[in-house]
Amino acid sequence: AQKITQTQPGMFVQEKEAVTLDCTYDTSDPSYGLFWYKQPSSGEMIFLIYQGSYDQQNATEGRYSLNFQKARKSANLVISASQLGDSAMYFCAMREGPSGSARQLTFGSGTQLTVLP
Amino acid sequence: EPEVTQTPSHQVTQMGQEVILRCVPISNHLYFYWYRQILGQKVEFLVSFYNNEISEKSEIFDDQFSVERPDGSNFTLKIRSTKLEDSAMYFCASRDNVGDTQYFGPGTRLTVL
Repeated sequence: AQKITQTQPGMFVQEKEAVTLDCTYDTSDPSYGLFWYKQPSSGEMIFLIYQGSYDQQNATEGRYSLNFQKARKSANLVISASQLGDSAMYFCAMREGPSGSARQLTFGSGTQLTVLP
Repeated sequence: EPEVTQTPSHQVTQMGQEVILRCVPISNHLYFYWYRQILGQKVEFLVSFYNNEISEKSEIFDDQFSVERPDGSNFTLKIRSTKLEDSAMYFCASRDNVGDTQYFGPGTRLTVL
């Protein structure tokens, strides 16, 4: 079974609108972390936001927020007030095991977001 | 703001040749990682490194691969005899011992001919 599933290969959003990128995960470990990274066409991987499995509140970082629904095992990324520069590939990733461990990230297949002017 | 750096940005090599990809992690970070991304595919974990030894490695990380921290700043990935299927973007990442976030370098695009 896939550990990270991103069901939207491509998404379009109008500039200044909000958009939600879906991510579901699968783990039996009670301790895990969820991450979102942005990969523009230039190729680098840019960290956006993090949510720990024990965090009570949804993470927010500027225009990015993570809609964490633990019972549904979903960690959707919400981008508010989209900008043209938000056009990129977005990856959801998970680290299983306690925070601070050396465990690797497992990535989803990504969602290509295009912001339309 | 400190960042992970990688060199070279693009490496072209002949099949069967050895390549060394170099990374300089963020200076106070203790955990180091290599990932790869074949064009158009998801990012895949290769190896993690902590306290001067490999912590974990994936099935991809076979005997053709090795990692080394030759000094206090560099972290290298060596591929001994490259194959066509090794063509990919290789990312180095690092993390400190407190936070949970891995910070990625800009990547090295490896092309094996």
